[in-house]
Amino acid sequence: EDKVVQSPLSLVVHEGDTVTLNCSYEVTNFRSLLWYKQEKKAPTFLFMLTSSGIEKKSGRLSSILDKKELFSILNITATQTGDSAVYLCAGPNNAGNMLTFGGGTRLMVKP
Amino acid sequence: DAGVTQSPTHLIKTRGQHVTLRCSPISGHKSVSWYQQVLGQGPQFIFQYYEKEERGRGNFPDRFSARQFPNYSSELNVNALLLGDSALYLCASSLHGRNTGELFFGEGSRLTVL
Repeated sequence: EDKVVQSPLSLVVHEGDTVTLNCSYEVTNFRSLLWYKQEKKAPTFLFMLTSSGIEKKSGRLSSILDKKELFSILNITATQTGDSAVYLCAGPNNAGNMLTFGGGTRLMVKP
Repeated sequence: DAGVTQSPTHLIKTRGQHVTLRCSPISGHKSVSWYQQVLGQGPQFIFQYYEKEERGRGNFPDRFSARQFPNYSSELNVNALLLGDSALYLCASSLHGRNTGELFFGEGSRLTVL
């Protein structure tokens, strides 16, 4: 059974801090790993990672994958209050018909 | 462009009742998936439909059922509601049946069972 574990469960930082969120996964026949941001209800897509060592970057957010260690990190630099959200990591199953999500990391950025 | 739309946004039911949740995918998307998100947890897969056929089913009891219509919209039905069915029900659409990439989620239907 596919498994995705995120850490930490929650995090409180101040504006301007840098944070690192972790995702470890055990999936059969790795295809990709995805990061989503969930502010209120709808998770919104951030990154899809398919290859080790290649950093994906979007503004202050970046993510990298280590396929050997079955691990991914999401970095947010110069955090802002708008970054407060739950960050979800997910992997598709072998059939490609579902995503297995981790429990999420709840990030709170204080002014 | 309209994203994934779900209705109703909130609803309250009592134990034993039945509920129907509706979802319209992004125009052109043929795949619809349903996820249950209990407070404090990540979304859990319930069903995937592609071209009106069930392509995947998660570990949920038979009280949960779904269907996809010719216009690719979808309904999730839950019978004999239990307190534990209280959750945010998310619908997601994608172009293709194989979800190796990005899913587009709706705002969800928050169900409270009393």
